[in-house]
Amino acid sequence: DTEVTQTPKHLVMGMTNKKSLKCEQHMGHRAMYWYKQKAKKPPELMFVYSYEKLSINESVPSRFSPECPNSSLLNLHLHALQPEDSALYLCASSLKVSGGTTDTQYFGPGTRLTVL
Amino acid sequence: AQKVTQAQTEISVVEKEDVTLDCVYETRDTTYYLFWYKQPPSGELVFLIRRNSFDEQNEISGRYSWNFQKSTSSFNFTITASQVVDSAVYFCALSVGYGQNFVFGPGTRLSVLP
Repeated sequence: DTEVTQTPKHLVMGMTNKKSLKCEQHMGHRAMYWYKQKAKKPPELMFVYSYEKLSINESVPSRFSPECPNSSLLNLHLHALQPEDSALYLCASSLKVSGGTTDTQYFGPGTRLTVL
Repeated sequence: AQKVTQAQTEISVVEKEDVTLDCVYETRDTTYYLFWYKQPPSGELVFLIRRNSFDEQNEISGRYSWNFQKSTSSFNFTITASQVVDSAVYFCALSVGYGQNFVFGPGTRLSVLP
């Protein structure tokens, strides 16, 4: 089973709202990722968590705040977003074997975010 | 620096035609991994294949086949006897060393017409 789930599927929010995106996997993977994808563009990496610790932050604005409460769950907290933040937000996970290989990333269906 | 080029922005074919999607990568690392993902209109990226730099064997999986050539830094993807369900955006991606950071190509939008 290579399933990554994401909720909600769609989200519309105003610029003053606070909302959260949720991602879950039960494959025993120990690395989880957030990507942002604008229309007709490839995904862009935002954050990587390895063993529940933030290992990569690709200079993402502080209005995006990731959280990894446990090895199965990844959240992205949103606050004071701008209309240009409207995009598809994809979560992914990978096994994170220590050394010796690069793991395949398995993606969820994404959350389509619209900021008004 | 690493880079992935997918020169074909959009391709249209008629059902049952064969189609090849090109992927050219750039890296100075000797250890790297290449991936292909499919993104249907629903949005989810579906993993298709992973290949490491030490394994140049071509691979066939049903109607899908991949041709990895280190000499030309290419990792091309062929769909034989295309079907309407193959319509999607296809991304080629590169990861160097044992890193977690994927470099995606710009994608190729494939439309298979009935």
